[in-house]
Amino acid sequence: DAKTTQPPSMDCAEGRAANLPCNHSTISGNEYVYWYRQIHSQGPQYIIHGLKNNETNEMASLIITEDRKSSTLILPHATLRDTAVYYCIVAYGKLTFGQGTILTVHP
Amino acid sequence: NAGVTQTPKFRILKIGQSMTLQCTQDMNHNYMYWYRQDPGMGLKLIYYSVGAGITDKGEVPNGYNVSRSTTEDFPLRLELAAPSQTSVYFCASSPPSGSSGEQFFGPGTRLTVL
Repeated sequence: DAKTTQPPSMDCAEGRAANLPCNHSTISGNEYVYWYRQIHSQGPQYIIHGLKNNETNEMASLIITEDRKSSTLILPHATLRDTAVYYCIVAYGKLTFGQGTILTVHP
Repeated sequence: NAGVTQTPKFRILKIGQSMTLQCTQDMNHNYMYWYRQDPGMGLKLIYYSVGAGITDKGEVPNGYNVSRSTTEDFPLRLELAAPSQTSVYFCASSPPSGSSGEQFFGPGTRLTVL
């Protein structure tokens, strides 16, 4: 059973911020929120993960609501190479991939 | 580091044939995983291993077998291939699971069973 809900697709203009939402209302206390992406049938690529606090790395920022029932992945300056399927996963240990959000970055 | 490598990249099998998909990682990770991805779908976990000599079933293990004799290698065996096993297979590895989060994926093997 899917533990996350993501929009099937989103568009973003190159150079703008891409904000990808994820709902995970049944998340357990010890489960982390992970984000991966998959570019054109390559192997998935880890982006970021967090438990309660907001997180930032060189690729993206992760904003988790205080009740932990939803989160947002932010790509601050999207480029054409960020076009991919983005997966939001809640887990402790084994990952379960849903169908993700197809993000298309256009010029 | 090469990371996670998989061979072959592509393979076509006839129904009933067998084959082994190879996976090797050079990051000294304890945990290794096999996933399959059908067209337009997310990845599904087939088998995983938490260390040499230890394997366990994932979500879709039927029709597959694995072994883990070394930390580096985690081969996936298909016996009696069926058209339903046509898919892209990804191997991944990670440090001990739980909070570490990051799995490193190989480039995948595209398998077609005719």
